[in-house]
Parts: sequence; C-alpha cells; structure tokens
Amino acid sequence: AQSVTQLDSHVSVSEGTPVLLRCNYSSSYSPSLFWYVQHPNKGLQLLLKYTSAATLVKGINGFEAEFKKSETSFHLTKPSAHMSDAAEYFCVVSDPPRSGGGADGLTFGKGTHLIIQP
Amino acid sequence: ETGVTQTPRHLVMGMTNKKSLKCEQHLGHNAMYWYKQSAKKPLELMFVYNFKEQTENNSVPSRFSPECPNSSHLFLHLHTLQPEDSALYLCASSRRLAGGDRTYNEQFFGPGTRLTVL
Repeated sequence: AQSVTQLDSHVSVSEGTPVLLRCNYSSSYSPSLFWYVQHPNKGLQLLLKYTSAATLVKGINGFEAEFKKSETSFHLTKPSAHMSDAAEYFCVVSDPPRSGGGADGLTFGKGTHLIIQP
Repeated sequence: ETGVTQTPRHLVMGMTNKKSLKCEQHLGHNAMYWYKQSAKKPLELMFVYNFKEQTENNSVPSRFSPECPNSSHLFLHLHTLQPEDSALYLCASSRRLAGGDRTYNEQFFGPGTRLTVL
C-alpha cells in the first residue's frame, strides 16, 4: 500500500523568498513521485516527476524536488517565490504497475496551500 | 491546454435528478480516470479504465455509474445523489510509458466539473 503525507496544510512566504513544501511518502516498492499544482477553478497541472533517474528533479516555473529514499521524502522547493505561485500543491505517489499491465490511479496528499505575501 | 476537456463545468442537481458528466481526451491515451475532490479531503480515485475496460472501482456507491465507450471518452452517470456528493469531479488520462527500468504513470487532468447536489 502507498500513502503520502504533506506536512503543512498552509505555507506563507514573502515574494522573492524561498519556498519549501514538504512531502513524505510510504510505499512497498520503488515508487514514482509527482508534484501537481492546482490554481483556483482550474484542473491539476504536473510540475515535475521522479521516476528512476536523477534524484534531483527539475520542473516547470523554477520548481525542483529531491528524492531522498533514506528519508522517504520528496520536498518541493523554489529559490524565489512569485505571486503567480499562489495555489494548491499536491504531492502524489504511484506504485509500479501490477504485473500484466493495466493503469493505476494515483495516491494524493491532502495538499498544501501556498500563500505569497507581497 | 491539457488536452482533456470536461463538460459541464458546473452542475446543480436535485437528489432525484439523473445527469451525466462527460470527459474527452485528445492525447491518444489508453487509460482514463475519475477522481472526486471534496473540501478538506485528498483527491479520491473513483474509477479506472484501461483500454475501455474498468480495472478499478474504489468502493464507489452505485449511484455513480461510469461508462467508457472508447478510449477517448469517459462518462459518469449520476442518479439519486446525496448532498455529501457535492464536490469537484476530475477526469484524467494517461499513457503507459517506459522510463528506464520502470514505467511511470503521468496523468493529465481536465478542469473538472463542480457538482452541487441540493
């Protein structure tokens, strides 16, 4: 079974300062991990993904995340926040597919609401 | 533009009504999903279809009935809903890709249908 814990329901930072959104996961296998962003009244957009290659993953809009297996963490960071970054962020885990193929749903964290102060 | 469209974007219905949500993906994917997003709860996977075959039903009440006539279209038929079913219903699609020694499950989301049950 897989699960995701987003440690903060709300994070508030000033524009131009670093952003850190924390995520811990639990999986019986070597999972795939994602961060999605959801702006108000919009669908979810993929920010970045970790599959099996480099542990430091770069995404869109200057975001990056580091996979740390020993800590079972996949924290999302950005060096300098922008007002347009205000949104809901979801950490997501996906176990490897079952043998024989087939599609699998994702397991979402509860989300972190990022607030950017001017 | 995510390539996944959902209609209607907003729906208000009474508990005795019958309505349907529609999702269409233009990405050539082979898997489609329904998720429910309620306030203050994580996204919940409802149904998974892979090559038009339902492969997962996450203990969803029978008042929700999915239909997948082809790999590009997905419906969610609603009848005798309850007020607690009010939520944002998100559709997603994916295509299995090989990433090194593992496959991953990147899903593309539609904008959602905001459902209110009176």
